[in-house]
Amino acid sequence: DAKTTQPPSMDCAEGRAANLPCNHSTISGNEYVYWYRQIHSQGPQYIIHGLKNNETNEMASLIITEDRKSSTLILPHATLRDTAVYYCIAPVVTGGSNYKLTFGKGTLLTVNP
Amino acid sequence: DTGVSQNPRHKITKRGQNVTFRCDPISEHNRLYWYRQTLGQGPEFLTYFQNEAQLEKSRLLSDRFSAERPKGSFSTLEIQRTEQGDSAMYLCASSLRPEAFFGQGTRLTVV
Repeated sequence: DAKTTQPPSMDCAEGRAANLPCNHSTISGNEYVYWYRQIHSQGPQYIIHGLKNNETNEMASLIITEDRKSSTLILPHATLRDTAVYYCIAPVVTGGSNYKLTFGKGTLLTVNP
Repeated sequence: DTGVSQNPRHKITKRGQNVTFRCDPISEHNRLYWYRQTLGQGPEFLTYFQNEAQLEKSRLLSDRFSAERPKGSFSTLEIQRTEQGDSAMYLCASSLRPEAFFGQGTRLTVV
């Protein structure tokens, strides 16, 4: 997998936008960027993924720089329930269909009231 | 669609005993993954199935570990002769497209 680098922790005020950065300077041209999050004691939850265009869904927006060396996950109006570890992953597809995820330590986002 | 289901949610076993975990993926998801997560770390890949075929295994999966997915539906992960180092959360995920959906995990404690 392309190595990703994330800050270990971030804080955000409830109701404000949370912007979580990720560096993936070694990403190759066909590697997508995926974001997952893990709330304490639960399994990881898929959030969003993208290749080179910005993406938006009901959970978040993903902004990928033009050179694809970094991206930012945006939670537009953070709530207390968004407190979680957020993982940025650029999986390599093996065997034609194995989107094996290599999780780092992620960013612990704490949303404060 | 009830999501990925894992049973049991918690398992305490004595060192040396065998344990088996079950994962029921989202129906029609042809890909199934097992991951292991220890405290303070991100999940680590263990093995991957496409339908009933086990296509990839991590070197983390020692010969005491075996996984099956008969008929391409549910999957089981068995650990023989458990060791204290096997204590972890075991996560199952399934997918039809690249994004994977995880279960709540089985927390194993070996005493």
